[in-house]
Amino acid sequence: DAGVTQSPTHLIKTRGQQVTLRCSPKSGHDTVSWYQQALGQGPQFIFQYYEEEERQRGNFPDRFSGHQFPNYSSELNVNALLLGDSALYLCASSLAGVAFYEQYFGPGTRLTVT
Amino acid sequence: QKEVEQNSGPLSVPEGAIASLNCTYSDRGSQSFFWYRQYSGKSPELIMFIYSNGDKEDGRFTAQLNKASQYVSLLIRDSQPSDSATYLCAVFDRTAGNKLTFGGGTRVLVKP
Repeated sequence: DAGVTQSPTHLIKTRGQQVTLRCSPKSGHDTVSWYQQALGQGPQFIFQYYEEEERQRGNFPDRFSGHQFPNYSSELNVNALLLGDSALYLCASSLAGVAFYEQYFGPGTRLTVT
Repeated sequence: QKEVEQNSGPLSVPEGAIASLNCTYSDRGSQSFFWYRQYSGKSPELIMFIYSNGDKEDGRFTAQLNKASQYVSLLIRDSQPSDSATYLCAVFDRTAGNKLTFGGGTRVLVKP
């Protein structure tokens, strides 16, 4: 049973650049949620994708955008990177209608902005 | 602002003892409650969830929920050094969107 996968594992970018992170959900899951976890803090909800649409959004600026593909995989894009965007970006998958709430996390992508 | 509060710790417990972690939440509409374990540099791992008042046991872990008092706790019995990690409490409220709201986590240190 394939778990949630994310790529890349680590990424270093410069302020002002753009970045794309990728996520493949757990086998059988159709919903992907993205979270940002700054050092020493709990994960903060960015947004959630289901049926290729953004369904919910947290308190993040429009610089953060995403996409979900027909195979349920998802991308997170961040434009005009700021130093404060340095964090662990987590993707979580779940099954809509049955257990939106039972979310399983991928290994994360560590983004460093210099 | 819906909040989930946890003591940041560290909570230091001797090996074999019971570790008791607490979490309070502000939104009475919260429906489901989750405990995740996160080792340093790793992603959160779901330990267990609870949505009814009372206790729920799974191996060495027991989750306790009291909706009237708006708190949820996690007990770790027979604590092992491998239990040393940060424990994240999360709440889910379907009416507020299908997302988890996390506390800041409690760091647990089990000493041999």
